[in-house]
Amino acid sequence: TAGITQAPTSQILAAGRSMTLRCTQDMRHNAMYWYRQDLGLGLRLIHYSNTAGTTGKGEVPDGYSVSRANTDDFPLTLASAVPSQTSVYFCASSGTSSGELFFGEGSRLTVL
Amino acid sequence: GQNIDQPTEMTATEGAIVQINCTYQTSGFNGLFWYQQHAGEAPTFLSYNVLDGLEEKGRFSSFLSRSKGYSYLLLKELQMKDSASYLCAVRDRNYQLIWGAGTKLIIKP
Repeated sequence: TAGITQAPTSQILAAGRSMTLRCTQDMRHNAMYWYRQDLGLGLRLIHYSNTAGTTGKGEVPDGYSVSRANTDDFPLTLASAVPSQTSVYFCASSGTSSGELFFGEGSRLTVL
Repeated sequence: GQNIDQPTEMTATEGAIVQINCTYQTSGFNGLFWYQQHAGEAPTFLSYNVLDGLEEKGRFSSFLSRSKGYSYLLLKELQMKDSASYLCAVRDRNYQLIWGAGTKLIIKP
């Protein structure tokens, strides 16, 4: 089934460790996004990429980095995890004229 | 600042109709989206409004008034599977999505 695949689905990480959340899409969408979702808050944009080779900062980029070497992959890296990065992370892509987002299943990250 | 307001939680009865409101204050407007998110799952697209008026799609309809900064999602003939959170999001002048915190809809038999 076409769509977006995220890995891992869940992870417990010690503070100070690094972690890369993987995201792959097979819809050939140009735009990709990383959001975090915390209880009581709306989805918050971490980083985005409008096309392969370009990235941009969202609302809450500190502590995170991304790369977009090709159309399909958009990994999110936490260089040195902190407990406040405990969250559910969603990768999304868009490619339709209306800009609707297609989401991956999410990665639940706990930083202890 | 930019702000999206929607009720935190609503309760409705199976078979009934429910209206979930969303008001917004954003820097510009380039469309409003509604997404459905079941607990523990990813959001899925429901509707998109860019012009004033009502868009109907099966049991779900979405309304937009740009002059009032207001939208609602109308769900008819409620089913138990409609129990979920409903997220309102507005695309601003920079084509960035601003998200509401979501409305948790509880359906009772």
